Order: sequence, then structure tokens, then C-alpha cells
Amino acid sequence: GQNIDQPTEMTATEGAIVQINCTYQTSGFNGLFWYQQHAGEAPTFLSYNVLDGLEEKGRFSSFLSRSKGYSYLLLKELQMKDSASYLCAVLDSNYQLIWGAGTKLIIKP
Amino acid sequence: DAMVIQNPRYQVTQFGKPVTLSCSQTLNHNVMYWYQQKSSQAPKLLFHYYDKDFNNEADTPDNFQSRRPNTSFCFLDIRSPGLGDAAMYLCATSRDDAISYEQYFGPGTRLTVT
Repeated sequence: GQNIDQPTEMTATEGAIVQINCTYQTSGFNGLFWYQQHAGEAPTFLSYNVLDGLEEKGRFSSFLSRSKGYSYLLLKELQMKDSASYLCAVLDSNYQLIWGAGTKLIIKP
Repeated sequence: DAMVIQNPRYQVTQFGKPVTLSCSQTLNHNVMYWYQQKSSQAPKLLFHYYDKDFNNEADTPDNFQSRRPNTSFCFLDIRSPGLGDAAMYLCATSRDDAISYEQYFGPGTRLTVT
């Protein structure tokens, strides 16, 4: 079967750094996405990794290791508005997105 | 701005009363998706279209139907909503090429069944 695992919930402090991990077992791999989803809203695209390594985009970075079936999303200089769910999704061999259940990130002042 | 639009944002229907959710897009993407998402769960793919080629997920209940009359519009019909169908319904689009597989989401329709 196909499976995406990420922690259910994390808590961090405003101004700090947090790393959200994602591990996957899928039938094929054509890339990994991170989406941000605020409560009651639609997911919005954050990053796409298809090659190993780190992709940096402002305060957000995403890392991929295909051999380990592992990715993380790194958020720096946390702001209260970063409180949201972060969803990891893998594009499988059929180019279908397999979604994780999301990690709810709570930012405390 | 190019975008994905869903109407209505909030829909209340009665148990067993048919309801239709709509989605339109100005991105000219040829792939459209309907997802169901319940609280704290992953989005669950119900259907997707490559142009007019309809693809039904194996575990999508028969109670759910979809129509795509043209590139811009897609509809989700729930023939006899049950209490378990209360959820957020997300429409998304993507290009069908090797340049980008990003899915662009509409704001969602939150369905309540009374």
C-alpha cells in the first residue's frame, strides 16, 4: 500500500525554527509537495522537490532524500500567521498525489 | 487574476436532498480534481478529469457523480447526501505536462448535512 507519515501536531515559539518531517512509501515517485492549509481554507502550494537536496524559498526550506523516503519542511523565524496545517504529498508513478494527513503547527508567543 | 473558483463557499442541505457543488477555473488547465476533506484528515480524491476523460477513484461511492461540460467548469453532484458526507469539498486544477505538477486549489465548499 501507499503511505505518507507525518506528525499529527507540533508546537513552536514565535521567532524560532521548526522542522516538520515526512516519510513515505509509495508506488513510484515523481516528486514531493508541501502545502500549507489554514483552518477552513484550501491548501496552498509551498514547495516541490524531485531531486535530493535542499530547496530554499525565503523563510521556508524543503529537503528530500529519495533513498530514505524522507522529506522535511523547515520554517525559520516563525510568525503567528504560520499557525496552520502542513501537508506532505507524493506524486506516485501514475502522477497521482498521495496525501499525508497533515501536521498541525501551533505557534505560541 | 487566473484562479479556481468554487460556489457556494458554504452549503447546507438536508439528509437525502440532492446537492450540486460547482467549480470554475480561468487557468486553462486541462486536469481538474474533486477532493473530499474531513477535519484533520488528508484530502481524499473522488474523481479527476484529463480534459473530458473521466477517472473515478475505486472507493468513491456511487452517491457521488461529476460532470465537466467544458474546460472551465466542473460539477460535483451528491445524489442523496448522508450525515457522513458533511465535509469540505475541494476543487483543484493542474497542467498535464512535464513542466509543473502543482495542483491549484479553489477555496472549497463546506457542506453541512442536517
